[in-house]
Formats: sequence, structure tokens, C-alpha cells
Amino acid sequence: EDQVTQSPEALRLQEGESSSLNCSYTVSGLRGLFWYRQDPGKGPEFLFTLYSAGEEKEKERLKATLTKKESFLHITAPKPEDSATYLCAVQAGYSSASKIIFGSGTRLSIRP
Amino acid sequence: KAGVTQTPRYLIKTRGQQVTLSCSPISGHRSVSWYQQTPGQGLQFLFEYFSETQRNKGNFPGRFSGRQFSNSRSEMNVSTLELGDSALYLCASSLAENEKLFFGSGTQLSVL
Repeated sequence: EDQVTQSPEALRLQEGESSSLNCSYTVSGLRGLFWYRQDPGKGPEFLFTLYSAGEEKEKERLKATLTKKESFLHITAPKPEDSATYLCAVQAGYSSASKIIFGSGTRLSIRP
Repeated sequence: KAGVTQTPRYLIKTRGQQVTLSCSPISGHRSVSWYQQTPGQGLQFLFEYFSETQRNKGNFPGRFSGRQFSNSRSEMNVSTLELGDSALYLCASSLAENEKLFFGSGTQLSVL
């Protein structure tokens, strides 16, 4: 069964304290892995897409990496405005039958 | 460029009633997908439409249905509402399959 697991469920960091969020997946036919950020009361907002193992993407304080079994979202020197829930999603399956499966998210809280 | 618009923002219904939610995608986007988000289950895929055709369907009962119009606007319908249908319903649009999703702010449905 296709599955996407995110850890930890929640993470509290001090401002400036770097860390990583994990997304591990077990799917048939990975077509792409996506990272989204979701603020309370809003829909998820796209951050990155990764397609193949070894690929990396960066945006401001965030860097996403992908291996054959997992992806990491590294956050460097975070600020309070980085507080949000970070969601990982995997597009799996072949041809038009592919589906997007979301992980349950990591709630990130950055203390000033 | 206007984002994804969902209406209504909030909805309160009673068990047994039916409800219709509306979604207007970003101009030019032909793919619209729907998700149910609850604290316990996270984001669950409902269905995806592309050029008025349902291309994919998640594991939800037949009470959940949807459609897409020629202008790409989409509606989803839930008949015979149950208490467990209380959730945030999110609509997302994309240019094509395997592309990043742009989410609306969602419709918060409460079933009493």
C-alpha cells in the first residue's frame, strides 16, 4: 500500500536553531515529491517539487533533498514567520491513474 | 492573477442533508482536484477532474461526487451528510498532471 510518513509530528525550535523535517515514502512508481507549507485557516502553499534521487531545491532558508526512500526539508536559521505546518506529498502510480498522497504534516513552531 | 476561489467559506448543515461546494480555479488551469482535511486523517484525496472528465477518484463512498464545467469551474456534492463529514474541503488547481497544486482557502463544513 502506498504510504507517506512525516516526522516529527511537531517541532519547536528557537529562532536561529537549524533542523530538518523528514518525509519517508513507500510508493509504486514515484513521479514526483512535493513540499507545501500550510498556515492556520489557509490552504497549502507550494514550496518545492523534486523528481529524482539526488535532486535538491532551495528557497530562502529552506532546502529540500530527495533520496530513493525519503526527503528532507532543511530549515536554516529559522525565523518566527517560518512557523507553519509543512506537508509532504507524493505523486505515485503510472499513466493517468497516478494519485497524490499527502503525509500528515509536521507542525513547526519557532520561538523568538 | 486571481487565485483559487472556494465558496462558501463556512457551512453548517445537519445530518441527512446534502451540500454543494464550489471552486473556481486559476485562469488557464484545466485540472481541478478536491481534498478533505481533518485533524485525524490529514489531507485525503477525493477526486480530480481534467477537461470536464473525472480522471481519478479516492477511496470515498458514492455520497461524494463532483463535476467540472467547460470553464473549468468545479463543484463537489455530498449527499446524506454524516457527522464524520465535518472537515475542511480544499480545492486545488494545476496546469496539468504532475504539476504543483494551487490551493484555495477551503470550505469549512460542520455537520450537526
